[in-house]
Amino acid sequence: SAVISQKPSRDICQRGTSLTIQCQVDSQVTMMFWYRQQPGQSLTLIATANQGSEATYESGFVIDKFPISRPNLTFSTLTVSNMSPEDSSIYLCSAGDWSSYEQYFGPGTRLTVT
Amino acid sequence: KNEVEQSPQNLTAQEGEFITINCSYSVGISALHWLQQHPGGGIVSLFMLSSGKKKHGRLIATINIQEKHSSLHITASHPRDSAVYICAVNYNTDKLIFGTGTRLQVFP
Repeated sequence: SAVISQKPSRDICQRGTSLTIQCQVDSQVTMMFWYRQQPGQSLTLIATANQGSEATYESGFVIDKFPISRPNLTFSTLTVSNMSPEDSSIYLCSAGDWSSYEQYFGPGTRLTVT
Repeated sequence: KNEVEQSPQNLTAQEGEFITINCSYSVGISALHWLQQHPGGGIVSLFMLSSGKKKHGRLIATINIQEKHSSLHITASHPRDSAVYICAVNYNTDKLIFGTGTRLQVFP
């Protein structure tokens, strides 16, 4: 199994600013994902974070709004840029190995944009 | 369209009751996951199944591949089991497709 930590756990941000969320895994993993969970909704995949290359974004999500880095096999960041109140959500990082389908989730970052 | 449906959406139980949450999916899958989300937002992976049955403590997960259906059972429920339970599947990719979740409240 893998233990995942995220920072910050929560933040309140002003409209127009940006926030970078960090995700750290305690072991090397092949796959890392970023999800958004809007209030009362299920999880939506934002992108797959690829080590050493550009992230793969899902329909409706773009790099300019959600830039992602993954410099190595244990760490990734998600930036929420030029925030608006509609970006208020829980952002979750997950990690796993492609061969086993196992996936582990971080504790989430609760973001409120005012 | 690949979908995951859960029932019920909301469930209330008295402490000690046996609880069942159901999950149906539309086509063949590689794996099915049961996840638990507490009010703080963090998600815990409870089970990953591709066939049969798994048990961990008071939790039991079963899957019927032919019927495209899985159930999560909680025996001797306790107020600390109160959470949202989410079913998710891999449709032959690493990406998970999530159900809408079942909100469980267990009262003492």
